[in-house]
Amino acid sequence: GQNIDQPTEMTATEGAIVQINCTYQTSGFNGLFWYQQHAGEAPTFLSYNVLDGLEEKGRFSSFLSRSKGYSYLLLKELQMKDSASYLCAVRDPYGGATNKLIFGTGTLLAVQP
Amino acid sequence: DGGITQSPKYLFRKEGQNVTLSCEQNLNHDAMYWYRQDPGQGLRLIYYSQIVNDFQKGDIAEGYSVSREKKESFPLTVTSAQKNPTAFYLCASSIRGGISYNEQFFGPGTRLTVL
Repeated sequence: GQNIDQPTEMTATEGAIVQINCTYQTSGFNGLFWYQQHAGEAPTFLSYNVLDGLEEKGRFSSFLSRSKGYSYLLLKELQMKDSASYLCAVRDPYGGATNKLIFGTGTLLAVQP
Repeated sequence: DGGITQSPKYLFRKEGQNVTLSCEQNLNHDAMYWYRQDPGQGLRLIYYSQIVNDFQKGDIAEGYSVSREKKESFPLTVTSAQKNPTAFYLCASSIRGGISYNEQFFGPGTRLTVL
């Protein structure tokens, strides 16, 4: 079976740095995505990792270790608008030519003043 | 502006009634997807379609049906056989093919409440 684990909730302070972890157990690997979702809205794409290492995009970075089945999303200089759910998803290794994703339950981040 | 539209934003139905949720995209994407989101459970795949006139069941297809008669449209019908239909429904689309960067783009969602 395929399984993705993320913490349910996290709290951080405005201006600080927060790291959201994601571990996955899948029979193969073909890419990992991070999405941001504000309450009641559509998820929006943040990052994609398929090779080991760090991908940086402004205040957001994502890291992948395929040997450990582990990824994290790093958010720097936190702003109040970063309060949202962060969804980790892996491409279904049995998806073949499809682009099916398997999602974790998401991590609800609350940024406090 | 390219994007995905879902209508309506909020939908109320009586128990036992079928209801159809609309999803339209003008991104020229071949692949489209329907997800259900419940509190604490993340996104679960209901149906997906890789090409017009073809679609496959996802992980929780029971009580749902879809059609894909046009590339731009992928409506989802929630039937009376779905035991717990109250949820937030998200439609997505992507370029076909499980390679590289092909992220899914999501619509704004429809919140269905069955009374």
